[in-house]
Amino acid sequence: SYVLTQPPSVSVAPGKTARITCEGDNFGRNTMNWYQQKPGQAPVLVIYYDTDRPSGIPERFSGSNSANTATLTISRVEAGDEADYYCQIWDSSSVHPVFGGGTKLTVL
Amino acid sequence: EVQLVQSGGEVKKPGESLKISCKGSGYTFTTYWIGWVRQMPGKGLEWMGIIYPGDSDLRYSPSFQGQVTISADKSISTAYLQWSSLKASDTAMYYCTRGRGGTDPFDYWGQGTLVTVSS
Repeated sequence: SYVLTQPPSVSVAPGKTARITCEGDNFGRNTMNWYQQKPGQAPVLVIYYDTDRPSGIPERFSGSNSANTATLTISRVEAGDEADYYCQIWDSSSVHPVFGGGTKLTVL
Repeated sequence: EVQLVQSGGEVKKPGESLKISCKGSGYTFTTYWIGWVRQMPGKGLEWMGIIYPGDSDLRYSPSFQGQVTISADKSISTAYLQWSSLKASDTAMYYCTRGRGGTDPFDYWGQGTLVTVSS
């Protein structure tokens, strides 16, 4: 089955830039989505179709996808960005979605 | 306003059955897929399966096939996740979420239903 690999944790100082990666074997034409989950809350979509932001998500959140690595970038990190972040893609047959293992973002 | 409202938390004993629900509102329920996601304590998101309420097209993750049953009643805009015989290892938070299918994202999520299975 398809596997997405994320670093377990990323730490960043307030005001700096955080980059969270998501690696896979072959994304093909399928695009990456990213979700933010704060403690005790449901996941929230923050990036879809590799680079698009839903309404209400700050411009500080951006996404990119190159070859077999997708990246979620959070600029000017704030304390409120501390959360778990999950990447998600549909498998090559577009039948099953696959989640990465999640990355815990710590704001120092 | 789009909302997915899930049923309340449950405490069950091993071997008992359970059915939890997810009611959609603020959109046409039959035109979006509803998926279920498990999150065990302290762990990540796991895909369980998905249903299209419009025609009840159903797809299970291989990991959960035969372990749970997903269904939907479009007349009341509600999707369900059920177990016939719970195990302690089913203890987890369960989320429902909606998507358009294909390669689209899951744009709205329910608040989660905590299922605790303990003797």
